[in-house]
Amino acid sequence: GQNIDQPTEMTATEGAIVQINCTYQTSGFNGLFWYQQHAGEAPTFLSYNVLDGLEEKGRFSSFLSRSKGYSYLLLKELQMKDSASYLCAVRDGNYQLIWGAGTKLIIKP
Amino acid sequence: DVKVTQSSRYLVKRTGEKVFLECVQDMDHENMFWYRQDPGLGLRLIYFSYDVKMKEKGDIPEGYSVSREKKERFSLILESASTNQTSMYLCASSLGPPDSGNTIYFGEGSWLTVV
Repeated sequence: GQNIDQPTEMTATEGAIVQINCTYQTSGFNGLFWYQQHAGEAPTFLSYNVLDGLEEKGRFSSFLSRSKGYSYLLLKELQMKDSASYLCAVRDGNYQLIWGAGTKLIIKP
Repeated sequence: DVKVTQSSRYLVKRTGEKVFLECVQDMDHENMFWYRQDPGLGLRLIYFSYDVKMKEKGDIPEGYSVSREKKERFSLILESASTNQTSMYLCASSLGPPDSGNTIYFGEGSWLTVV
């Protein structure tokens, strides 16, 4: 079967750096997405990786290794507003999106 | 900015009632989706549509149906609501075919409680 694994919950301190990992086993691969979802709100797009390597976008970066079935989202200079759930999703060989359960990130002062 | 609007944020319905969840997008997107989101589970696809009057079953279509009479509107229908359909329902849309990196845009979500 197809599977996306992310930690359920992580805690970090304001101003610090946190890395949220995502591992996947899918039938084929056509890209990986990261979304941010604040409580009670819609998920919003953060990043898209289809080739190996690091994509940097301001305080957020996303890394992909297709050979390892692995991605991470790196958040720097954490702010309280970064408290949210972070969703990893993989587009499989049939171009269908498979979603992880999300990682709830708690930021403490 | 893309806007995906779901007509109802919070609904409480009785078991057996017929429920309509409406979704409208304003960016002329071909693709529209209905997901449900439950604690501890990833988003699960109920139905999707790549064109007007076209619909495809997702991973969990049982107990649901959809309607896409106009490009901008995609409706989710629960013919006879049951308590296990209590969930948050997310509508989404994207531009272009699935074999591309097109971003999916989500609505605010509809919280449905079936009692």
